[in-house]
Amino acid sequence: QVQLVESGGGVVQPGRSLRLSCAASGLTFSSYGMHWVRQAPGKGLEWVAVIWYDGSNKYYGDSVKGRFTVSRDNSKNTLYLQMNSLRAEDTAVYYCARDTNNSGMDVWGQGTTVTVSS
Amino acid sequence: SFDLTQPPSVSVSPGQTARITCSGDALPKQYAYWFQQKPGQAPVLVIYKDTERPSGIPERFSGSSSGTTVTLTISGVQAEDEADYYCQSADSSSTYWVFGGGTKLTVL
Repeated sequence: QVQLVESGGGVVQPGRSLRLSCAASGLTFSSYGMHWVRQAPGKGLEWVAVIWYDGSNKYYGDSVKGRFTVSRDNSKNTLYLQMNSLRAEDTAVYYCARDTNNSGMDVWGQGTTVTVSS
Repeated sequence: SFDLTQPPSVSVSPGQTARITCSGDALPKQYAYWFQQKPGQAPVLVIYKDTERPSGIPERFSGSSSGTTVTLTISGVQAEDEADYYCQSADSSSTYWVFGGGTKLTVL
């Protein structure tokens, strides 16, 4: 079955960097756009970034633009999120999600937790 | 960017019908999607393209659209439907995605 597994979360100091990964299985990874979505403690969902199926286009939410970079390695079926200049307000559970043109974000990972604290 | 507005909470008794609205200026032109999220779990897609239901989602979940408002309707609400529900849409160029603030559905 289709499965997305995030990893790389942890506790990091403000201003430092962290890279998240999302490993995909059970799907033709290179055929789908992929999103990162986050959820701060007790808050709602916030869209973070999207990358086209071939990596040709990348777009970001306003709160992370210029600090976060989304990328993918289709040979490894893996999505990445490089997070630089982290702030306390970046503390959240980060989810990756598959995007299909027909049905939107139809498959989600279980999430990985990022805590930015000194 | 654009905004999607949802009521913070909706309460309904078991067996009744719950309606959760989502309003936004982009909605007459862009599709809406609905997600269910239970505590400690990842979101689950329950409605896509305003009215379509993914396989495996119970028939009691339905979606509708009228002007700047889309509505998620849950008919014959069950205790297991208690969750947070989020609407979502994207801009016309598919460069920006937005979630509504979420609605907590309480089954009394």
